[in-house]
Amino acid sequence: QSVLTQPPSVSGAPGQRVTISCTVSSSNIGAGSDVHWYQQLPGTAPKLLIYHNNDRPSGVPDRFSGSKSGTSASLAITGLQAEDEADYYCQSYDSSLSGPVVFGGGTKLTVL
Amino acid sequence: EVKLVESGGGLVKPGGSLRLSCAASGFTFFNAWMSWVRQAPGKGLEWVGRVKNRLDGGTSDYAASVNGRFTISRDDSKYTVFLQMNSLKTEDTAVYYCALYAAPYADYPFDHWGQGTLVTVSS
Repeated sequence: QSVLTQPPSVSGAPGQRVTISCTVSSSNIGAGSDVHWYQQLPGTAPKLLIYHNNDRPSGVPDRFSGSKSGTSASLAITGLQAEDEADYYCQSYDSSLSGPVVFGGGTKLTVL
Repeated sequence: EVKLVESGGGLVKPGGSLRLSCAASGFTFFNAWMSWVRQAPGKGLEWVGRVKNRLDGGTSDYAASVNGRFTISRDDSKYTVFLQMNSLKTEDTAVYYCALYAAPYADYPFDHWGQGTLVTVSS
């Protein structure tokens, strides 16, 4: 069982807003550890979507945003589009900075 | 343009060995931290391990599931990182991705990924 817990699936209609949660359940990944988010389209490699909780790499639409409070993080997608249908993963790391990287179990987003 | 190209995947029997390579280009490889991440069929992402740059000791860290069986190394002269996998188990079957840390620090994300190479462990 992953120490980062995500819902297995979420769905929304085009134009709607959806959120995906990521809850930390390990004492080794504290409130001070940042969370990053990746999008994986079917049959492709993951792509960095949000880093350091709420920063967007260049080229990522501002429809995607992240937030973090304590040991809970969220990814929000507004103005949902068909091409957003993908798997989304949160990622963090051991607070000692020498330990493992951890991924959430992933959330399948379905655009209705 | 950053490029990461994995190779070396294939079919191997349980207990066997395989070495994956990741050829990198488009960035200052000797300064980079590199990681391997795998994804079993129909499953989520699992971090395998990382190798730091020479300045940070060139050391490697591993997930508990592969520690003692897998070894990550690098050849800075060839811009290549390797994943040596020994004592392979059926549960090691996965697509293996090479990933580049956005900066050489443990709290940074992976901002570039290769296309992946499939490893199948089966008798």
